[in-house]
Amino acid sequence: DTEVTQTPKHLVMGMTNKKSLKCEQHMGHRAMYWYKQKAKKPPELMFVYSYEKLSINESVPSRFSPECPNSSLLNLHLHALQPEDSALYLCASSQLDNQPQHFGDGTRLSIL
Amino acid sequence: EDQVTQSPEALRLQEGESSSLNCSYTVSGLRGLFWYRQDPGKGPEFLFTLYSAGEEKEKERLKATLTKKESFLHITAPKPEDSATYLCAVQNDDYKLSFGAGTTVTVRA
Repeated sequence: DTEVTQTPKHLVMGMTNKKSLKCEQHMGHRAMYWYKQKAKKPPELMFVYSYEKLSINESVPSRFSPECPNSSLLNLHLHALQPEDSALYLCASSQLDNQPQHFGDGTRLSIL
Repeated sequence: EDQVTQSPEALRLQEGESSSLNCSYTVSGLRGLFWYRQDPGKGPEFLFTLYSAGEEKEKERLKATLTKKESFLHITAPKPEDSATYLCAVQNDDYKLSFGAGTTVTVRA
């Protein structure tokens, strides 16, 4: 069992819907991350919150919006997604910037 | 730009047949090299961190080593439960993590 919990495990949504992915960790980590992983590809970093300060991958479209309510919670708000956004969305956390990241099992997102 | 190349892409082994996976990298200031295991439909599971050339880490049938240009993951006497995709990732001096494409290992009984 992973110590990073992601909900929901699966999500199917239309291109006009608004939904949110949630991530929670109870390891006291101060950095949290969102990654996108397409089939048979490595994870790609989308966003980082380190000590609740956001760093953005400039290539991520604005239809993805992260939120970090506190150091244990991380949300990813989705709006007007495209079919190519279908992927596994992974959340990770780490104690410090150079410590190993621990991943959740992801949310499998399908855009109709 | 940081680059991580893993080889081979796929590896089929007989149970008990030892082998090695390679991860070669170029990075602007190596903060750390990380090995992960990923099973289908799951998130990556952390295995090892290596911080400097010459460092070695072991866990059960797995051993990771690091030089200035590459890392190896040695699998000794593998079992079917070692079947997975093994990912290598490097962290640069901006703390950005870059992953290789992975090596998919299949161990037949």
